[in-house]
Amino acid sequence: EPEVTQTPSHQVTQMGQEVILRCVPISNHLYFYWYRQILGQKVEFLVSFYNNEISEKSEIFDDQFSVERPDGSNFTLKIRSTKLEDSAMYFCASKSRGQETSPLHFGNGTRLTVT
Amino acid sequence: GDSVTQMEGPVTLSEEAFLTINCTYTATGYPSLFWYVQYPGEGLQLLLKATKADDKGSNKGFEATYRKETTSFHLEKGSVQVSDSAVYFCALGNTGTASKLTFGTGTRLQVTL
Repeated sequence: EPEVTQTPSHQVTQMGQEVILRCVPISNHLYFYWYRQILGQKVEFLVSFYNNEISEKSEIFDDQFSVERPDGSNFTLKIRSTKLEDSAMYFCASKSRGQETSPLHFGNGTRLTVT
Repeated sequence: GDSVTQMEGPVTLSEEAFLTINCTYTATGYPSLFWYVQYPGEGLQLLLKATKADDKGSNKGFEATYRKETTSFHLEKGSVQVSDSAVYFCALGNTGTASKLTFGTGTRLQVTL
């Protein structure tokens, strides 16, 4: 079964550094998402992306965050200047159709540790 | 706004015990409801879903019924196995919200022999 793949599985960075988290969504999917899960807390929506633009973003997704689909297969999340509170598990997800009944397919996540 | 409330964990059960994990939601309109499972070291996997009132989602022995009158979507399994040990997330997806999911906090299930 096709999978969403994320790299790296674990990223350690110093505060103030830029990080790029990478995702390869399922190939025929059209809708892409980033979520994050701070340890012990709920999974939170960050951003959705469709037709090469952001369709919705949460208040967490401030100017320090950006997303890009640089080619036909990758979907990246960039954090420009990381803060300690950005430490979390970041999940990429994709879906084939936009309806709310269509489920999301998640990757295994990238654990980001900011020191 | 939309929200999901799940029972606090962890839930510890012996193998073959009956499982219920409570989930209630607040939403406008007619959301779809989902249960996702996260096994250790893995991402979130769809377990089951229900898209309208009174629908019952089922998979791998797990069931949940979409109850609009009580705004609930409780997860049940008649006989749990050690391999069911995981974190279970209730979620809702609503129209007009870029189809994003709103998650509960997750409930950790530990099944022992």
